[in-house]
Amino acid sequence: QLQLQESGPGLVKPSETLSLTCTVSGGSISNTDCYWGWIRRPAGKGLEWIGTIYYSGSTYYSPSLKSRVTISLDTSKNQFSLRLSSVTATDTAAYYCAGTNFYYMDVWGKGTTVTVSS
Amino acid sequence: QSALTQPPSASGSPGQSVTISCTGTSSDVGTYNSVSWYRQHPGKAPKLMIYEVTKRPSGVPDRFSGSKSGNTASLTVSGLQAEDEADYYCSSYAGNNNLVFGGGTKMTVL
Repeated sequence: QLQLQESGPGLVKPSETLSLTCTVSGGSISNTDCYWGWIRRPAGKGLEWIGTIYYSGSTYYSPSLKSRVTISLDTSKNQFSLRLSSVTATDTAAYYCAGTNFYYMDVWGKGTTVTVSS
Repeated sequence: QSALTQPPSASGSPGQSVTISCTGTSSDVGTYNSVSWYRQHPGKAPKLMIYEVTKRPSGVPDRFSGSKSGNTASLTVSGLQAEDEADYYCSSYAGNNNLVFGGGTKMTVL
């Protein structure tokens, strides 16, 4: 059974880069049937799609975050990662990684909370 | 402001049916049959309940059903149970490799 687990710092300073990793178990990140995505939920707000990566390395980003987001794969570790640069308080949120066919997310990690504060 | 519009709240008594709407545009919901619905309990990860407008993943009860008309998709929960009290989100493909979510609906079981 596919399982995903997010990891990374829970506190990031304003203007710095947020970095999170998602470790995939129970399946290969090189599965050609699966895309891998990042989604967040700011406190008191709704879900927001951040971006998605395919096993080939092709990436797709939310237009509103595209200038600050990088998603990458590490097939040797069966992980994929999120980097969000120049963070502000509005980037404070619960961040989730997910396995997806691109159009919908069918397996989710438990999520990790990231606070942007000095 | 979210790309898809959902009512902020919905409620019903146990056993009743409740429908949540998700209104988009002709650029997303109205064009693509890639609408999905997620349920999220407090402190938990979202769970996929409906995909491709009407399909249920394995393990999701048939009390949950989806539909679409024009630019509006809907999720109906029949035979409401206490465990259905949660936040519900819709999502749609919006073309150009872009996904959009709704603002979420807080479902209360009275």
